[in-house]
Amino acid sequence: QKEVEQNSGPLSVPEGAIASLNCTYSDRGSQSFFWYRQYSGKSPELIMFIYSNGDKEDGRFTAQLNKASQYVSLLIRDSQPSDSATYLCAVRGPNDYKLSFGAGTTVTVRA
Amino acid sequence: DAGVTQSPTHLIKTRGQQVTLRCSPKSGHDTVSWYQQALGQGPQFIFQYYEEEERQRGNFPDRFSGHQFPNYSSELNVNALLLGDSALYLCASSSSWAYEQYFGPGTRLTVT
Repeated sequence: QKEVEQNSGPLSVPEGAIASLNCTYSDRGSQSFFWYRQYSGKSPELIMFIYSNGDKEDGRFTAQLNKASQYVSLLIRDSQPSDSATYLCAVRGPNDYKLSFGAGTTVTVRA
Repeated sequence: DAGVTQSPTHLIKTRGQQVTLRCSPKSGHDTVSWYQQALGQGPQFIFQYYEEEERQRGNFPDRFSGHQFPNYSSELNVNALLLGDSALYLCASSSSWAYEQYFGPGTRLTVT
């Protein structure tokens, strides 16, 4: 079982819609969760992090964490063409300094 | 406020050669992690340096080594390059008191 799993996509959403990305992780003791956005040919950019159960909102982005279900999600509201990118979920394990990444979900926002 | 910087941007090497990649962390950060990202994959952790010591290492062979300098900058060295080492090499910097890691622009290594 992979440490971090994401739906590979691609996920295609119309402009103005909500994009919903999911991520599951295997280590129940994991404490820290991150979402990165990576444009084609560029490096990952940190867009959200969440450490506690529940929702965390930052502008058009909402991260949701459910540790009991070992599930973290990212919602992108009012999706824009500039949101078209690959979104990487990363998890920091209980005794780790490293981040473990999923393979990413590619999102395409159609105008 | 300078972000994470990496050099060079691109590099082409021949199988069997050695390469050194460099990274300067964000101002105020003291920890550097290195990741390898193959095409279509998420980044894979190579190792992390803090206080000039390797603090954690991923599942990479000893051909991959590193160093951290007193000014917190870091180098990644790869010996005896293989074709499979072709990838984007990412440096991420962080503070010792925070979990968030911020990536540099990366070095694209091609081994022929």
